[in-house]
Amino acid sequence: SSELTQDPAVSVALGQTVRITCQGDSLRSYYASWYQQKPGQAPVLVVYGKNNRPSGIPDRFSGSSSGNTASLTITGAQAEDEADYYCNSRDSSGNHRVFGTGTKVTVL
Amino acid sequence: EVQLLESGGGLVQPGGSLRLSCAASGITFSSYAMSWVRQAPGKGLEWVSAISGSGGNTFYADSVKGRFTISRDNSKNTLYLHMNSLRAEDTAVYYCAKVQTAAAGTGELDYWGQGTLVTVSS
Repeated sequence: SSELTQDPAVSVALGQTVRITCQGDSLRSYYASWYQQKPGQAPVLVVYGKNNRPSGIPDRFSGSSSGNTASLTITGAQAEDEADYYCNSRDSSGNHRVFGTGTKVTVL
Repeated sequence: EVQLLESGGGLVQPGGSLRLSCAASGITFSSYAMSWVRQAPGKGLEWVSAISGSGGNTFYADSVKGRFTISRDNSKNTLYLHMNSLRAEDTAVYYCAKVQTAAAGTGELDYWGQGTLVTVSS
């Protein structure tokens, strides 16, 4: 299967830690990347590879993986982290990409 | 500064055609694969297509294969998406995105345009 499944929504208290998960068979072979999307804006890459962050992304964002599950952790969530988060990976062919179903993160 | 500017969206009737363009600046365009991603209103992201830096390799989602064609003109730093036989379910904001590598399937999408809206309706 090339599907990536995420929980639809999670909430986190300001300053606390939240983990968002992404499940799919392709994650046994390929790393996931994670994108943040705020309303009305284009997605932004926040984590990719084993645990890499593009320039300008705060170090409170981190990634990990185990078996068929990839995770994005926000340690010390800030109000500006409230957004939709999508995982992404290659599919079984290795040439196509597939996005997860998306998780809406609310910071309380 | 990397900039990607999409254009060409609009209202089109079912069965019609449209060509999207994405003008890139701030990068050595031919060194990077490029991709199109779409987002239907209120829905999640869907990968649509990708093309290698040279243009020699192209890939498509099953939902658009045979109807959409991705291409690029490296002399003009421009990416294209030719869309034929459009359906209501193709209605979405279409984003172009730069891939981190020259190979289309391997790298992440590290820069995105602001998107162009395509509406398929009679």
